[in-house]
Amino acid sequence: GENVEQHPSTLSVQEGDSAVIKCTYSDSASNYFPWYKQELGKGPQLIIDIRSNVGEKKDQRIAVTLNKTAKHFSLHITETQPEDSAVYFCAASGGAGNKLTFGGGTRVLVKP
Amino acid sequence: DTAVSQTPKYLVTQMGNDKSIKCEQNLGHDTMYWYKQDSKKFLKIMFSYNNKELIINETVPNRFSPKSPDKAHLNLHINSLELGDSAVYFCASSQGTGGAEQYFGPGTRLTVT
Repeated sequence: GENVEQHPSTLSVQEGDSAVIKCTYSDSASNYFPWYKQELGKGPQLIIDIRSNVGEKKDQRIAVTLNKTAKHFSLHITETQPEDSAVYFCAASGGAGNKLTFGGGTRVLVKP
Repeated sequence: DTAVSQTPKYLVTQMGNDKSIKCEQNLGHDTMYWYKQDSKKFLKIMFSYNNKELIINETVPNRFSPKSPDKAHLNLHINSLELGDSAVYFCASSQGTGGAEQYFGPGTRLTVT
């Protein structure tokens, strides 16, 4: 089955700096790669996603890149703000049933 | 106007008891899911239903039994609770199953003592 690795597990950045989280996946059939943000005591919230026919996607301060050949994808947050502090999860999906396999999560702390 | 709701939010119970968690979505989606998040924050899918039919059933003890009375509801019943069942359980929904966006509920924190 699919295996998703996510790094780093924790990331501390100064407000205004950029944050980058990287994920690798194992199943070449995966074709959908969402990123979720989970704040304390809440459920994961989709912040951006990318499909296998696209190499990059941006939404304001957030961007995601996908390298299908290398089977890795990354989340980039620019001009970080304290409210960006949360746990971020990458995931991959491609099999039947829309099964999402999640990475282990990255705890991001933005220091003011 | 909550999209995916779960009840209860917290559940504390003793080993050996049977408990249920309820989930409802008002997004008109046809697919619903149960995920388990352990103490290390690792998220893993347990079950998925599409139009009330079970389509994903991961390696989960048969003490866990999902039930979908209609497309808007997916409940999770757990028999003979064990200490290792302590976790946060999330319900999610999507429209379709092919790379569809999944919307998560707020979670139910289950503590087994």
